[in-house]
Amino acid sequence: LAKTTQPISMDSYEGQEVNITCSHNNIATNDYITWYQQFPSQGPRFIIQGYKTKVTNEVASLFIPADRKSSTLSLPRVSLSDTAVYYCLVGDTGGFKTIFGAGTRLFVKA
Amino acid sequence: KAGVTQTPRYLIKTRGQQVTLSCSPISGHRSVSWYQQTPGQGLQFLFEYFSETQRNKGNFPGRFSGRQFSNSRSEMNVSTLELGDSALYLCASKRGGVETQYFGPGTRLLVL
Repeated sequence: LAKTTQPISMDSYEGQEVNITCSHNNIATNDYITWYQQFPSQGPRFIIQGYKTKVTNEVASLFIPADRKSSTLSLPRVSLSDTAVYYCLVGDTGGFKTIFGAGTRLFVKA
Repeated sequence: KAGVTQTPRYLIKTRGQQVTLSCSPISGHRSVSWYQQTPGQGLQFLFEYFSETQRNKGNFPGRFSGRQFSNSRSEMNVSTLELGDSALYLCASKRGGVETQYFGPGTRLLVL
């Protein structure tokens, strides 16, 4: 099972771009990389998922280098409402032995 | 399409009691997983059900059990509650394969 390492916390200001990097050195060939956002006392919300290169949706971008040993979640122009914990998951995208790390607490200031 | 729903949203029990939590997955999703989230241990996988069968189980004592019905709805039961069972219990569903899972809002359980 691929273990992930993320920064414990990050601070940013409204309007800035935020990049959160996740390390996953022992990622397996068929593993996907998934990011979730969680607000206090709520369930995690799916943000984005990718396998390689770059994936973009309406809320974020995910950059995955060729060796896939890390990934970077990019949040463009964050707002105060983006203050949350962000989790990076690698492997089975749900259920079977899903391991959530400690996540990254993002604080967005005015 | 409606999301994952969980009932009740909040629950207070006393030690020794038992509790049953319910989860209704997104329509068409056949896999339901349960997680426990506490400040100290983070998000931990409890078990996964697929087509009424437990497919995988996390490292929790036998007091934690679950089941899934033919309509994919799932229930989780905790017997002989302990103070340490106080947590946010989350349910997540997906269609069944290697896909994105979607979480419900959770049930906040407080054991006194």
